[in-house]
Amino acid sequence: GQSLEQPSEVTAVEGAIVQINCTYQTSGFYGLSWYQQHDGGAPTFLSYNGLDGLEETGRFSSFLSRSDSYGYLLLQELQMKDSASYFCAVHQTGANNLFFGTGTRLTVIP
Amino acid sequence: NAGVTQTPKFRILKIGQSMTLQCTQDMNHNYMYWYRQDPGMGLKLIYYSVGAGITDKGEVPNGYNVSRSTTEDFPLRLELAAPSQTSVYFCASSHRGALGETQYFGPGTRLLVL
Repeated sequence: GQSLEQPSEVTAVEGAIVQINCTYQTSGFYGLSWYQQHDGGAPTFLSYNGLDGLEETGRFSSFLSRSDSYGYLLLQELQMKDSASYFCAVHQTGANNLFFGTGTRLTVIP
Repeated sequence: NAGVTQTPKFRILKIGQSMTLQCTQDMNHNYMYWYRQDPGMGLKLIYYSVGAGITDKGEVPNGYNVSRSTTEDFPLRLELAAPSQTSVYFCASSHRGALGETQYFGPGTRLLVL
């Protein structure tokens, strides 16, 4: 089976930096994706890591360490609009779908 | 492109009723998926399809059925609604279903079974 662990809630100040961690246990691990979901909205793709290291996309970066079965999403220069839930999701070889974590609800305060 | 569209946006069903949740994508994607999301939880895969005429079960298929007669459409059928099926249902699609590929989600259908 698979398991993904993320913190359930994180609060951070506008303009600050926040890191959302994700640890996973799965067979046939291929890569890790991150999705953002605003309240009442649909999940939207943020980032993907297939190799160890850091991927940067504007204010958002994502990191993967296969040896530690660990990844994180880093959000810089936080804005109020970044308040949302963030999901890590595992890609597995031999599987045709993503396995999602339960999500981290980020609240950005002034 | 409209992307992935879903209808209805919201529906209330009585126990034992049936309904079909519609999903259409205009991106010519081969792979399509149905997920359900319970409050405060992640998404769980119900069914998926790798192309017209081909469907397969996901993690939580009981109580649901699907069909894929065209590339564009992937309806989800609930035959005998139960309170446990109260959830938000998301349809998604991806181009080739390749590992690491982005999935594009529809806006969701909120279903309440009473």
